[in-house]
Amino acid sequence: QKEVEQDPGPLSVPEGAIVSLNCTYSNSAFQYFMWYRQYSRKGPELLMYTYSSGNKEDGRFTAQVDKSSKYISLFIRDSQPSDSATYLCAMNTGGFKTIFGAGTRLFVKA
Amino acid sequence: NAGVTQTPKFQVLKTGQSMTLQCAQDMNHNSMYWYRQDPGMGLRLIYYSASEGTTDKGEVPNGYNVSRLNKREFSLRLESAAPSQTSVYFCASRETGDAGANVLTFGAGSRLTVL
Repeated sequence: QKEVEQDPGPLSVPEGAIVSLNCTYSNSAFQYFMWYRQYSRKGPELLMYTYSSGNKEDGRFTAQVDKSSKYISLFIRDSQPSDSATYLCAMNTGGFKTIFGAGTRLFVKA
Repeated sequence: NAGVTQTPKFQVLKTGQSMTLQCAQDMNHNSMYWYRQDPGMGLRLIYYSASEGTTDKGEVPNGYNVSRLNKREFSLRLESAAPSQTSVYFCASRETGDAGANVLTFGAGSRLTVL
């Protein structure tokens, strides 16, 4: 079993939809939870990070962490075609190693 | 522009050939990383260097060697390439002041094909 599980999709939604992306994990020692966005043939770039449980909002993006369920989510409101990318969840215990999910491919249709 | 620079961007090798992927960062970060990305597998850590002068194995180190040449540069070497090493390789660095979150800045990637 992988430490971090993420549905690879693809997920296709119409412009303006609310998108929900999710990851589950097995290591209860994870304390830091990140979401990276990766456009085709580019390197991943950090979108948001959250420490421990709770919510964090940044514009149209909201990250949620539920440590009791070992489940994290990223919500995108009013999705735009420019949001079409692969979204990678990532987790870290506070040390040097970060574990990534497989990534979910998102397509937002105009 | 500040960031992480990888060379080469593309490379085709024959089985058994060797090559070195180069990475340099100009953000004065202490830690540097090499990941590989394969379809359905996400990013997997090959090696990392917590600071200049140190290197450690990640999840998938077999078949690779690394050198932390100085604070800026971290290279990845394939001594005898195998088709299983066909992948996209990403170098990343981490800001010292954000130790807990381990927020990584990635390069654009190096696409390697081994025939």
